Amino acid sequence: KAGVTQTPRYLIKTRGQQVTLSCSPISGHRSVSWYQQTPGQGLQFLFEYFSETQRNKGNFPGRFSGRQFSNSRSEMNVSTLELGDSALYLCASSLDGDGAFFGQGTRLTVV
Amino acid sequence: AQSVSQHNHHVILSEAASLELGCNYSYGGTVNLFWYVQYPGQHLQLLLKYFSGDPLVKGIKGFEAEFIKSKFSFNLRKPSVQWSDTAEYFCAVNILTGGGNKLTFGTGTQLKVEL
Repeated sequence: KAGVTQTPRYLIKTRGQQVTLSCSPISGHRSVSWYQQTPGQGLQFLFEYFSETQRNKGNFPGRFSGRQFSNSRSEMNVSTLELGDSALYLCASSLDGDGAFFGQGTRLTVV
Repeated sequence: AQSVSQHNHHVILSEAASLELGCNYSYGGTVNLFWYVQYPGQHLQLLLKYFSGDPLVKGIKGFEAEFIKSKFSFNLRKPSVQWSDTAEYFCAVNILTGGGNKLTFGTGTQLKVEL
């Protein structure tokens, strides 16, 4: 079975721009979650999608949004990028709460 | 809000030494518990998980963890570490046991195993 695939692996963006990250879950997994990993704050939950609906949300500003498609693929969007948004963004998929399987992540650098 | 504490940020062991990494969480209700490992340059991998039943759970690569409800702890153990166990270890809690994934992670423990 293929694992969780995230694209792109690396991104460099300028402050004020927006960015879209993509995640393809493990086949059959309907839950997709997103996390932000930084040296200072560690791993923080952004949101979770299940069957195309946002089921849970973390404590991030509205500039962070996401969506899930009918094939369970998910995208995450960050608008009006700030320097502090530089991080590794991780996507995880799960059947439903049984343990999340993570992708390699997208390394976003905001300059 | 729930939180997860990992008391050891950096641990250095010699090969064949025993390992115990502490994890405590703050939440009074039912939880699902996880340990993840991140090897250098690799993605987070699930080591083991506890949902219910036997509080001693076994995972991959010889790791095990014990859930002690009264202490809100879920410590990770391995009787004899190998150089290849060098990695960062994360404890995580999901309080949404009725469905849903919202993992709260500890800050991680960097383990270095020396030959």
